[in-house]
Amino acid sequence: LAKTTQPISMDSYEGQEVNITCSHNNIATNDYITWYQQFPSQGPRFIIQGYKTKVTNEVASLFIPADRKSSTLSLPRVSLSDTAVYYCLVGDMNTDKLIFGTGTRLQVFP
Amino acid sequence: GAVVSQHPSWVICKSGTSVKIECRSLDFQATTMFWYRQFPKQSLMLMATSNEGSKATYEQGVEKDKFLINHASLTLSTLTVTSAHPEDSSFYICSASVRGLAGVDTQYFGPGTRLTVL
Repeated sequence: LAKTTQPISMDSYEGQEVNITCSHNNIATNDYITWYQQFPSQGPRFIIQGYKTKVTNEVASLFIPADRKSSTLSLPRVSLSDTAVYYCLVGDMNTDKLIFGTGTRLQVFP
Repeated sequence: GAVVSQHPSWVICKSGTSVKIECRSLDFQATTMFWYRQFPKQSLMLMATSNEGSKATYEQGVEKDKFLINHASLTLSTLTVTSAHPEDSSFYICSASVRGLAGVDTQYFGPGTRLTVL
């Protein structure tokens, strides 16, 4: 079972744009890609969801290439409060189950 | 909207006792709820999928007799850790699935329950 992989960690400064990529080679054909934010000792919080191309909401954008084997969460101007772990959630074509990515720990510095 | 609560937020128990964790969807009905376990600095691992009125589907390696799941209504699912042992200490998180206007299912998560078994 191929894992849904993400970079372990990323550092940024306040006001910068941050792009976090999730690799999901075995994505199920009909499943959407969902991204979550998690603070310590809390449940994941929904950020954005998409199927293909680009989706934008008030907090983030999600870029999905045509082959859908990866996706990139873009946080336009991060602040200190964006320091958290970010997860993608993707359906796996082999198991027909939703699998969380390995998570990316984002640290934002002043 | 799409608020999910869990109770208790934390619990400490002695080895051998049972602990029940409740998961409620507060402002929507959830046909499907999920239970996850998360160890420190690790991703969420799905334990079981729970559908209202039917038996839960457990993931490989998760003992159904140890982790009893009951989904009695469209807004409530419970996870009971039976005869808990220190290795069961973890962060347990539930989620509830809701179908949006576009027909897409999205999971919304509860705040989690920290279980510590002494």
